[in-house]
Amino acid sequence: AQTVTQSQPEMSVQEAETVTLSCTYDTSESNYYLFWYKQPPSRQMILVIRQEAYKQQNATENRFSVNFQKAAKSFSLKISDSQLGDTAMYFCAFMKPYNTDKLIFGTGTRLQVFP
Amino acid sequence: EPEVTQTPSHQVTQMGQEVILRCVPISNHLYFYWYRQILGQKVEFLVSFYNNEISEKSEIFDDQFSVERPDGSNFTLKIRSTKLEDSAMYFCASSEYGQLVITGELFFGEGSRLTVL
Repeated sequence: AQTVTQSQPEMSVQEAETVTLSCTYDTSESNYYLFWYKQPPSRQMILVIRQEAYKQQNATENRFSVNFQKAAKSFSLKISDSQLGDTAMYFCAFMKPYNTDKLIFGTGTRLQVFP
Repeated sequence: EPEVTQTPSHQVTQMGQEVILRCVPISNHLYFYWYRQILGQKVEFLVSFYNNEISEKSEIFDDQFSVERPDGSNFTLKIRSTKLEDSAMYFCASSEYGQLVITGELFFGEGSRLTVL
């Protein structure tokens, strides 16, 4: 069975600084998808970034980038130039493609951005 | 921007009572989901629904749970006889395509908090 672990329950960062959120996962699959979702306070969870395991290149979306280490089963999220609006709960998630559309989530990391 | 809406935002109920949580997915979406998060724990998959039937369900989704799309717009989760351990935040989600892989994006509602006393 697949598992996703986020070992940092809470993180904080000063505005304009860079922060990295950690995520590790366990699977025997060779092909899969990884996601970071963001849930601002009292708002919907939204997709931040996704990575296909068969792609070696790390995904990037503006200030958000990932460090995908397939052998180490690690998928960290780097937020550059942090903004107050980045304050949210961040969830790492795993999906095994084909025959399922079930996301497996980690417990989340609460990120606070300070002015 | 279209979004998934859920009602109620918070419901308090007595153990053994039936509860219906409602969701209005994004209008052109075809795949619907319920997830839940018990306080301090992981967000867990409950069920996926497509073409008016369940396509996948987890072991959590036992006979006490059911889903329905009664009128082509609402997507409901019914808990027949609530237990204390059903207390959680329930998230509805929808996607335009199945398996998430094409867009990689699941659109979530804000959640319905269920408290069972």
